[in-house]
Amino acid sequence: EIVMTQSPATLSVSPGERVTLSCRASQSVSSHLAWYQQKPGQAPRLLIHGASTRATGIPARFSGSGSGTEFTLTISSLQSEDFAVYYCQQYSKWLSYSFGQGTKVDIK
Amino acid sequence: QVQLQQSGPGLVKPSQTLSVTCAISGDSVSNNIVAWNWIRQSPSRGLEWLGNLYFRSNWYNDYAESVRGRITINPDTSKNQLSLQLDSVTPEDTAVYYCARQQSLIFDFWGQGTLVTVSS
Repeated sequence: EIVMTQSPATLSVSPGERVTLSCRASQSVSSHLAWYQQKPGQAPRLLIHGASTRATGIPARFSGSGSGTEFTLTISSLQSEDFAVYYCQQYSKWLSYSFGQGTKVDIK
Repeated sequence: QVQLQQSGPGLVKPSQTLSVTCAISGDSVSNNIVAWNWIRQSPSRGLEWLGNLYFRSNWYNDYAESVRGRITINPDTSKNQLSLQLDSVTPEDTAVYYCARQQSLIFDFWGQGTLVTVSS
């Protein structure tokens, strides 16, 4: 099983700041990496797939990078609606899916 | 736009069967280029993939090893929905259960979630 590790667990940020979240895979997943945003009481929302492709309707302030085992989600200028928990997920092959434990972005 | 609307009881007694349904709009459960999945989320286990259902001339399922033998995912083409059944539940099965569409291995649309508590 591929283990996904996210850091940090919590990030305290002020609106307008640049945010960088990290995700590491225990073995290479190539570019088969997605990022999700989850707000309280809501389902995860797909932000990024293929490590760097924004999903439909996702603002350009969200960007993803990386390949292999190291990945990054960047929010260029944090908006109030971006305070949430962010998860990475690998999908390197059929039936091999695992999620990170999440990074909570809260207000500083 | 694909929408997934879930329904099901929020409380199940230990040893009984958990049942949740997922009604699909904007797509078809019989779509032969997607798969329909169940994923659960709990504080102890995080986000955990449980299984899927897909149609490729016939109906197919795959199930996670952690729940294999207890899980059944079925289609209902007349109502354009899928269902999850999990037998012999214990308190460890307490979680929010989500249905999700999968296209090209990506979970792109999710239901709103159903909190199921296993308690006597």
